[in-house]
Amino acid sequence: SQTIHQWPATLVQPVGSPLSLECTVEGTSNPNLYWYRQAAGRGLQLLFYSVGIGQISSEVPQNLSASRPQDRQFILSSKKLLLSDSGFYLCAWSRMGHEQFFGPGTRLTVL
Amino acid sequence: KNEVEQSPQNLTAQEGEFITINCSYSVGISALHWLQQHPGGGIVSLFMLSSGKKKHGRLIATINIQEKHSSLHITASHPRDSAVYICAVPFQGAQKLVFGQGTRLTINP
Repeated sequence: SQTIHQWPATLVQPVGSPLSLECTVEGTSNPNLYWYRQAAGRGLQLLFYSVGIGQISSEVPQNLSASRPQDRQFILSSKKLLLSDSGFYLCAWSRMGHEQFFGPGTRLTVL
Repeated sequence: KNEVEQSPQNLTAQEGEFITINCSYSVGISALHWLQQHPGGGIVSLFMLSSGKKKHGRLIATINIQEKHSSLHITASHPRDSAVYICAVPFQGAQKLVFGQGTRLTINP
């Protein structure tokens, strides 16, 4: 069966510090991978998605970046965090045209 | 872009009541997703349907493709059903999803 992991589960970082969130998927190959952010009291916002290694599509301009160094690994990064980067970050995977499966999420607080 | 509207935004009911959450979208789609987000933040996929009706336990999802409308029903609601329910539709060849704003459901004992 397929599983999706995210870490860390929670993170508190000062403004201006770097960020690295990791997502890995097990039990499938060549999945579509997604990074979402959910600000407090808001809906899900798609940040990045990837259909293959090294292929990243960015949805909104921001100071975040994403990379897919391996087929089942998706990394969300920032060189300098802003207060507005606080939120709940979710990674998800899917097969084209099929339902998405979400990771447990990372709650990021930028102080 | 496909716009997705959910109603109501918030719903409070008593245990045992029949619950209906609605979702409307603006552009033709191949399938619609219903998701459940628990208070801790985790999201679970409930249904993906392209026509008619699907049932899983006390949850029933229906879709009318012509009217661009879907409903999620919960029979014999229970406090553990309290969560945010989100509908989502595909965008750009189904590579991405567009999400509704969610319906916050609270079931009181």
